[in-house]
Amino acid sequence: RKEVEQDPGPFNVPEGATVAFNCTYSNSASQSFFWYRQDCRKEPKLLMSVYSSGNEDGRFTAQLNRASQYISLLIRDSKLSDSATYLCVPDQGGKLIFGQGTELSVKP
Amino acid sequence: EAQVTQNPRYLITVTGKKLTVTCSQNMNHEYMSWYRQDPGLGLRQIYYSMNVEVTDKGDVPEGYKVSRKEKRNFPLILESPSPNQTSLYFCASSLRGPPNSPLHFGNGTRLTVT
Repeated sequence: RKEVEQDPGPFNVPEGATVAFNCTYSNSASQSFFWYRQDCRKEPKLLMSVYSSGNEDGRFTAQLNRASQYISLLIRDSKLSDSATYLCVPDQGGKLIFGQGTELSVKP
Repeated sequence: EAQVTQNPRYLITVTGKKLTVTCSQNMNHEYMSWYRQDPGLGLRQIYYSMNVEVTDKGDVPEGYKVSRKEKRNFPLILESPSPNQTSLYFCASSLRGPPNSPLHFGNGTRLTVT
């Protein structure tokens, strides 16, 4: 089993849609989780940190289910500028494990 | 402006010709790291450094060397590049290292080894 598994997509959605990505992780000891955003082979940038059951920042909500070992990212009211690849990144004792990412394409 | 600077952005070289990719940060970060990114795979860590003169292997260190003689610089050295090292490379830095501090990435170096 991979350490981090994400649906690679692409997810093609219209502007204004709500979209959710799931991510599963294999190491139950992971305590901290992150979502990074990466635009078309540019550098990843931190989107959100998740240390407890979840986090919300504007249109973005991350939820963590430790029992099932998955974390989700919900994007409401999608914008064209949200088009990117979203990387799920659990921490394992100070080491970040990057998922391969889920590609999102928001269309007009 | 706070940033991580990598050079060069693009590099095409031949098998066996030694090369160095430079990385510099101006944020006084203690932690620095190198990753490579390949299609279908997540970012994989090559080497990291918790502080000056302290370096450790990541998941895929074979064929690479690093040094951390100064806090701001963390060069990646390929002594004898091979085609399987063709990849997109990212340098990153963090104030105290994950998970306590976020990673700041450089713009990336796209390396092709023929």
